[in-house]
Amino acid sequence: EVQLQQSGPELRRPGSSVKLSCKASGYSITDYLMHWVKHRPEHGLEWIGWIDPEDGETKYAQKFQSKATLTADTSSNTAYMQLSSLTSEDTATYFCARAYSGRFAYWGQGTLVTVSS
Amino acid sequence: DTVLTQSPALAVSPGERVTISCRASESVSTLMHWYQQKPGQQPKLLIYKASNLASGVPARFSGSGSGTDFTFTIDPVEADDIATYYCHQSWNSPPTFGGGTKLELK
Repeated sequence: EVQLQQSGPELRRPGSSVKLSCKASGYSITDYLMHWVKHRPEHGLEWIGWIDPEDGETKYAQKFQSKATLTADTSSNTAYMQLSSLTSEDTATYFCARAYSGRFAYWGQGTLVTVSS
Repeated sequence: DTVLTQSPALAVSPGERVTISCRASESVSTLMHWYQQKPGQQPKLLIYKASNLASGVPARFSGSGSGTDFTFTIDPVEADDIATYYCHQSWNSPPTFGGGTKLELK
């Protein structure tokens, strides 16, 4: 059974950074692109970017180019997303999602990041 | 970027038929997908490639369309279907989501 297990909620100060994890089970992460999506209830879903864990290639949405950094550790079958220079606008739930033919059939449960002083 | 436009909210009663539209600012061929998201949960894939039912999804859900105009239908609506529904295109880069349509009970 395919599962994506994300790390727990985070509370950070403005200006700091945070690294979220997404551990895959039931398949090898090198077989599929891993995408990350931001959710704020008043803004809906926003695509952040993807990583190809097989070779580390990444692609980001323009607005997240200097905000997010995607990495993967094939030895632990885990994908990561680091968010830097956090502001209140980064307060959101972040999801990892496995892509297949462009669609996201499998999602992690989400990680809530709260940025507050 | 491809902008996907959905109506923000619809009020429905159980047993009714409801249709949600999604209009793309440019052609996305048939690479349009639909998700259901309930509060506090991850999105769930319901329809992929415009009209294909995802595994385990009831046949009450359906989708159609191509190019720039797509529709998503629930017939009949059940109380458990109250959620926000998003369209998502993967034809053009970057992939984009619609703003979501929140289904509410009348």
